[in-house]
Amino acid sequence: EVQLLDSGGDLVQPGGSLRLSCVASGFTLSTYAMTWVRQAPGKGLEWVSSINHSGGSTYYADSVKGRFTISRDTSKNTLYLQMNRLRAEDTAVYYCAKGIFGVVQIGYFDSWGQGTLVTVSS
Amino acid sequence: QSVLTQPPSASGTPGQRVTISCSGSSSNIGINTVNWYQHLPGTAPKVLIYSHDQRPSGVPDRFSGSKSGTSASLAISGLQSEDEADYYCAAWDDSLNGWVFGGGTKVTVL
Repeated sequence: EVQLLDSGGDLVQPGGSLRLSCVASGFTLSTYAMTWVRQAPGKGLEWVSSINHSGGSTYYADSVKGRFTISRDTSKNTLYLQMNRLRAEDTAVYYCAKGIFGVVQIGYFDSWGQGTLVTVSS
Repeated sequence: QSVLTQPPSASGTPGQRVTISCSGSSSNIGINTVNWYQHLPGTAPKVLIYSHDQRPSGVPDRFSGSKSGTSASLAISGLQSEDEADYYCAAWDDSLNGWVFGGGTKVTVL
């Protein structure tokens, strides 16, 4: 059974850093594209970042480009999102999601984590 | 402002048919497939429709999708109380080089 367990959300001050983790089970990360999606309070879903099956291609929303970094550790079957220079508008529940293919641009997200809350506030 | 445009709300009585529209452009829906997700508060989103009109196993056939040009639609027929949720369309955008979502439509069963 495919499972995604995301964690790492916390209260952090503006300008601070945080690393989110998403532990995958039931499949191998190196086979599928993975994505982070967030939902700010009272708002809709927003795509944040994706990485392809090999880890060689990464994609970012303009709102996080240059501040966030997506990566994975295949030995731990874990996806990460390193978030730096956090802003109040980054406050959201962050979900990791698994694609059905190894490439990012096609398919859909067939499994999602339960979400982890990031709050950026002083 | 979302790249894909959805109505913020839709409603119907049990048994009715509800349709949700999703308007995009030539760089997303016009050339790439559309997926629809159902999101209940406090839970993980779930795919309802992929590739415009395909249902994953386990999704009731009350849910159907279609696409025409740069727009797509999700229809829920035989509306049930458990269908109360937020619904999002999504597609890859070749110009933005990323996934784009609609703003979401909250479906209420009256």
